Amino acid sequence: EPEVTQTPSHQVTQMGQEVILRCVPISNHLYFYWYRQILGQKVEFLVSFYNNEISEKSEIFDDQFSVERPDGSNFTLKIRSTKLEDSAMYFCASTGPPAGYGYTFGSGTRLTVV
Amino acid sequence: AQKVTQAQTEISVVEKEDVTLDCVYETRDTTYYLFWYKQPPSGELVFLIRRNSFDEQNEISGRYSWNFQKSTSSFNFTITASQVVDSAVYFCARFSSGSARQLTFGSGTQLTVLP
Repeated sequence: EPEVTQTPSHQVTQMGQEVILRCVPISNHLYFYWYRQILGQKVEFLVSFYNNEISEKSEIFDDQFSVERPDGSNFTLKIRSTKLEDSAMYFCASTGPPAGYGYTFGSGTRLTVV
Repeated sequence: AQKVTQAQTEISVVEKEDVTLDCVYETRDTTYYLFWYKQPPSGELVFLIRRNSFDEQNEISGRYSWNFQKSTSSFNFTITASQVVDSAVYFCARFSSGSARQLTFGSGTQLTVLP
């Protein structure tokens, strides 16, 4: 069964450093997403991406965050200057038409900011 | 914001008991999708079921069953004859097919099945 692949599975970074989280969505999917889950809390939407641009973003997704699809397969989330409160599990997801069908999550990247 | 509410924060049952996890959602959309995910201690989100708003049939898959009632905006999940391996956090989520394509999650229910 097709999978969404995320790397790395764990990342530890120092406060103020830039991090890039990587994702390879399912190849025929068109919509890509990043979600965040702070430890012990619910999963929260960060951003959706379609047709090479952001289609929607939450209030969490401020200027410190950016997304990119640098080639035909990868989808990245960059945090420019990490803060302690950015420590969380970050999930990538993709879905393809019809809407809502095949909403698949990657296994997540656990980011720890120290 | 259109919320998804999982009122049960934690549930503990003894193995072989049946357990129902509640989910109530808000939506103004006519077309939407409802999901259940399981999150084991390892942290990944394991897809369990997707249901669209036009299909109110209940579904059974092995020990799992789901009860979708549009009249009460509920999508409850029952595990029959629970097992220790069912211990996890379970999330209910809603997806709207309009411009807001993101999943809105409930806050999750921690299920602990005791041997």
